[in-house]
Amino acid sequence: QKEVEQNSGPLSVPEGAIASLNCTYSDRGSQSFFWYRQYSGKSPELIMSIYSNGDKEDGRFTAQLNKASQYVSLLIRDSQPSDSATYLCAVVTSGTYKYIFGTGTRLKVLA
Amino acid sequence: DGGITQSPKYLFRKEGQNVTLSCEQNLNHDAMYWYRQDPGQGLRLIYYSQIVNDFQKGDIAEGYSVSREKKESFPLTVTSAQKNPTAFYLCASSIATRGFYNEQFFGPGTRLTVL
Repeated sequence: QKEVEQNSGPLSVPEGAIASLNCTYSDRGSQSFFWYRQYSGKSPELIMSIYSNGDKEDGRFTAQLNKASQYVSLLIRDSQPSDSATYLCAVVTSGTYKYIFGTGTRLKVLA
Repeated sequence: DGGITQSPKYLFRKEGQNVTLSCEQNLNHDAMYWYRQDPGQGLRLIYYSQIVNDFQKGDIAEGYSVSREKKESFPLTVTSAQKNPTAFYLCASSIATRGFYNEQFFGPGTRLTVL
């Protein structure tokens, strides 16, 4: 079982819709969770971090964490074509410093 | 203008050559990291450093070496012992490695190709 799992996609949504990206992780003791956006050929850009159960909102982005079910999700409201990218989930495993990255979900927002 | 810089953007290496990738940050971050990204795979940690003059191996350190002589700089050398070095190399930094200060920020990356 992979430590951090994401559906590779592509996930296609129409412009203006809500895009929902999901990530599951195996280490129940994980404490820190991050979402990065990576455009093709570019480096990852941090868009959200979340550390406690519940929702965290930042503009059009909402991160949701459910530690009991071991998943973290990212919602993008009013999706724009410029949101088309690969979204990487990263989890810091318990007792370590290490980020474990998922392989990413490719999002396509259709104009 | 704070940030992380990496150079060169593109690098071509011949078989048997060692090459060094530069990473510099002016964010006053203590921790720095090197990752490798291959198509269809997640980022994999090569080395990390929590403080000047100290560094630790990550998951795929074989064939790589680093130094941390200055807080701002964390160069990565890809040696001839690295059998499949063609990849996208990413440097990152964070205030610290633990707690709520462990958000990592990435440089623009170096794309290394072996000829």
